[in-house]
This record gives sequence, structure tokens and C-alpha cells, in this order.
Amino acid sequence: DVKVTQSSRYLVKRTGEKVFLECVQDMDHENMFWYRQDPGLGLRLIYFSYDVKMKEKGDIPEGYSVSREKKERFSLILESASTNQTSMYLCASSLSWTDYGYTFGSGTRLTVV
Amino acid sequence: KNEVEQSPQNLTAQEGEFITINCSYSVGISALHWLQQHPGGGIVSLFMLSSGKKKHGRLIATINIQEKHSSLHITASHPRDSAVYICAVGHTGNQFYFGTGTSLTVIP
Repeated sequence: DVKVTQSSRYLVKRTGEKVFLECVQDMDHENMFWYRQDPGLGLRLIYFSYDVKMKEKGDIPEGYSVSREKKERFSLILESASTNQTSMYLCASSLSWTDYGYTFGSGTRLTVV
Repeated sequence: KNEVEQSPQNLTAQEGEFITINCSYSVGISALHWLQQHPGGGIVSLFMLSSGKKKHGRLIATINIQEKHSSLHITASHPRDSAVYICAVGHTGNQFYFGTGTSLTVIP
């Protein structure tokens, strides 16, 4: 089974801190994604990457950046955390452009105080 | 306007009942996913379908491309089915639209 592992289940950070959310997949998937999930809004795409060092903005990239130095790892960075970034963050991966099968991580619930 | 609409938003059922969750979408799709999210947990993909019907155990998913509508059915529901069920529509490339989810509670 493909595994998508997110490094933390729960995180509490202070306003202004730089926050790193890590995601690792173990099946050589090309595409990786970061979503945030908020009540009533569903999942919204922040960034995605289709190859090492490649990234594309999703629907809500403001306040976030990403890094993909290795194929298996996709990091989401909050340069200066704010309270409106308190959310559930979900990482996902898929094999290729033509493969619409997604595998999701278990999520990181981030609280910014 | 949401590209993907789910109904109902919340659903409570007695154990053993037959459950239906609906998903309507307004965009052209490549594939539609039904996802399951347990409280505090990650998301698991239940089905990916682009036509017809798929069955896995007590779960059945159907899609009508012409009507832009999909349903997820759960037969003989059980408390362990309690979760949020999310409809996701693959549009082009890796662009997905997600419904806001249906929260299902099955009471023993």
C-alpha cells in the first residue's frame, strides 16, 4: 500500500513563527499536493508539485511556500504563521498526470495562537 | 457557486438502514472520487469512477455522466461507517473540486 506520511498530527505555533509541515510518500509518485480543510469550505488546494523542484500554485497560495528537493518529500512552509492559518492540512500524492487515484496523508491539525 | 454540491450535509441513521449520499457537479470531469474521513483522521479513497457503478463490500457508487450526478450508497449501515464522506471531481490535469462533505452518524 502507498503510504503518505505527515510528520505531525497536531502542532501549536505562535503568530509570526516560521512553520514547516513535512510530507513523505514511499511509492515514487510524481505528483504531490498540499490542501487545507476548513469547516464549510471543504478541501482547498494550496500548492502542488509534479516533479522535483517544480511547483504550481493552487487556489489559495498566499502566505505559503513549498519545497520539493527530493521526489518523496514535499514540504509546506508558513513563512510567518497567522491565526487565520489555523486549519487541518492534508498532503496527497498521485502517480502521474493520467492517474487520478489519490492517496492522502492522515493530516496535520495546526493551531496558531 | 460551488462546482460540487453534496447532500445532505448531515445525516443520522439507525444501524442497518440503507443510506444514500448525493453529489452533483457542474464541471466537465475526468473522474469522480468518493472519499471517507474519520474524526481526527486522514482521508481514504473509497472509489474512483468515470462511468457506471462500482461496488466494494457494503458500499456502492454510481455515476450518471449526462445528469452530472453521483450517489454513494451504504447498505446495512453500521456505527463504524460514521464518518465524513466527500465527493471530489477531477477536472483537468490535477485540478480537483471538492464537495464540503456529508457527515454521517450511524446510531447502534
